[in-house]
Amino acid sequence: AQSVTQLGSHVSVSEGALVLLRCNYSSSVPPYLFWYVQYPNQGLQLLLKYTSAATLVKGINGFEAEFKKSETSFHLTKPSAHMSDAAEYFCAVSVSTGRRALTFGSGTRLQVQP
Amino acid sequence: NAGVTQTPKFQVLKTGQSMTLQCAQDMNHNSMYWYRQDPGMGLRLIYYSASEGTTDKGEVPNGYNVSRLNKREFSLRLESAAPSQTSVYFCAGHSGESSYNEQFFGPGTRLTVL
Repeated sequence: AQSVTQLGSHVSVSEGALVLLRCNYSSSVPPYLFWYVQYPNQGLQLLLKYTSAATLVKGINGFEAEFKKSETSFHLTKPSAHMSDAAEYFCAVSVSTGRRALTFGSGTRLQVQP
Repeated sequence: NAGVTQTPKFQVLKTGQSMTLQCAQDMNHNSMYWYRQDPGMGLRLIYYSASEGTTDKGEVPNGYNVSRLNKREFSLRLESAAPSQTSVYFCAGHSGESSYNEQFFGPGTRLTVL
């Protein structure tokens, strides 16, 4: 079985500062990894995904994430935070066998201070 | 394309009442999923359907039933609602082998059980 740990349930940054949201995973087989964003009272929107093609993955809205197998990590970064980035972010893992469902982390709520 | 749609958006039930949450998709997804979202716990899989006519339990199936009568629709039924089922429910789908398990989510149903 696979699992995801997101360190920090709340992260607060100033507008223009670096955003770093942490995600560590556990999987016995090569994983697919995802970051989803949820704006208030909305569904989940895919930010980016790792599918083994490249370890540095670029997503929408200026976000990117780097897959590090040795550290079992898939941290999400953005060089300069914008007020509109305030949302909840979920890291998720899936594998290519079995039911293919996503296993989610507990989420990180990002606040952006003016 | 409407994508993944869910009805209703909001619902308040009394303990012991029953209801069905509806989910429909026009994205030709083979697999469909029901998740529940609770604060600090991310999303947890309730049931999934790998194809029309098949369903299987996820992490937290107790108190729920599902039905996948055709490719488009996947419903979730609460036979006797309990306060512990107060949550936000998301339906999701994905298409198949080449999608790397990327899932598309509906807008959610916010359910309160009194």
